[in-house]
Amino acid sequence: TQLLEQSPQFLSIQEGENLTVYCNSSSVFSSLQWYRQEPGEGPVLLVTVVTGGEVKKLKRLTFQFGDARKDSSLHITAAQPGDTGLYLCAGEMGNTGTASKLTFGTGTRLQVTL
Amino acid sequence: SAVISQKPSRDICQRGTSLTIQCQVDSQVTMMFWYRQQPGQSLTLIATANQGSEATYESGFVIDKFPISRPNLTFSTLTVSNMSPEDSSIYLCSVEGSWGGYTFGSGTRLTVV
Repeated sequence: TQLLEQSPQFLSIQEGENLTVYCNSSSVFSSLQWYRQEPGEGPVLLVTVVTGGEVKKLKRLTFQFGDARKDSSLHITAAQPGDTGLYLCAGEMGNTGTASKLTFGTGTRLQVTL
Repeated sequence: SAVISQKPSRDICQRGTSLTIQCQVDSQVTMMFWYRQQPGQSLTLIATANQGSEATYESGFVIDKFPISRPNLTFSTLTVSNMSPEDSSIYLCSVEGSWGGYTFGSGTRLTVV
């Protein structure tokens, strides 16, 4: 059973467009992380959100954690070809400060064309 | 952040054989995690490896198929045993970073023929 569902699964857009990726669950997570993975590489952490309702901005990327800590969204403004990749949300259940396993979302494959 | 060296980066193996994947971390870590990423899909946790104790396997993964070694705090291996084409995947190791996120190795792309 996949605990974290992402939508959309695939997204092909042109440079300059905006997009939002959603990550939804029925479970509560202590933290929610977003990663981007490029071909031939492991996932690379973009952001970690830990507080319900938290919003974090990283240049053109805006991340939000739901108030109930069950869902999250990633919004990209003015997408660029360099944003192309597989975006993964990952939820962590456990006490802050202790390592605990991650549950990954189903993934969103983004392609940005010129 | 920790740096992980994972090898091999890719391999093509005959069915029925075994492959051992190595991960070396540049700092001491308590736990190391092994994941499988099937073609076009997300990551699934195989097991958690603690130094000095047996690995903890997730549902659907067993030690006989995926034996893990953790001889010290900077190194771990995952073996994929008695391989079949269904084992063709990317295998990744990971450690937790001090900032709350996780660092991943670059992965081992395994093709079983």
